[in-house]
Amino acid sequence: GAGVSQSPSNKVTEKGKDVELRCDPISGHTALYWYRQSLGQGLEFLIYFQGNSAPDKSGLPSDRFSAERTGGSVSTLTIQRTQQEDSAVYLCASSFSGDDTDTQYFGPGTRLTVL
Amino acid sequence: GQQVMQIPQYQHVQEGEDFTTYCNSSTTLSNIQWYKQRPGGHPVFLIQLVKSGEVKKQKRLTFQFGEAKKNSSLHITATQTTDVGTYFCAGGAGGYQKVTFGTGTKLQVIP
Repeated sequence: GAGVSQSPSNKVTEKGKDVELRCDPISGHTALYWYRQSLGQGLEFLIYFQGNSAPDKSGLPSDRFSAERTGGSVSTLTIQRTQQEDSAVYLCASSFSGDDTDTQYFGPGTRLTVL
Repeated sequence: GQQVMQIPQYQHVQEGEDFTTYCNSSTTLSNIQWYKQRPGGHPVFLIQLVKSGEVKKQKRLTFQFGEAKKNSSLHITATQTTDVGTYFCAGGAGGYQKVTFGTGTKLQVIP
């Protein structure tokens, strides 16, 4: 389809393991966001990629979190040495920004459970 | 940095009653968007407002953008159980600056 896809949809891992979450944005979208949402809570901004600019990493909660966006398309969010408090749904969104059209299209999310 | 707050955080209404959520930005915005997240789902775009004082309607939903472009509201007339979910506003600063989501208002409709 033409929407934002994320994989895996569910990930269960043990405390201390590393995990990688993948986001495939809509083709042609220049902006890509990662958010974290704990159960019943709002959207916590993690990181923002815009074109070839340096990413805005101001929302990353610790240095265990990092993200890359290769070729201006696919993005990977990596969490090292996972902790139980990392358990949440990780949402990716993309948009075509720059012409005052900031509409974000969200993927279905990855539900991460750290045991 | 830019902050976007929404009130109320939660709202329970009887089916058929009206509902309003308010969004306030700490800075002047270029645009405001509204999203709806159904339980278990992901946020879905509803509408974007760009002009000062703009009002847009979608069936029973009315969206307003304040004159100073720092606040917005979403009003639902005669709520239905299908309106259940969390409503987020999101403030766009324009250009290539990142969009900031509000804290969200969770709506529960009692049949």
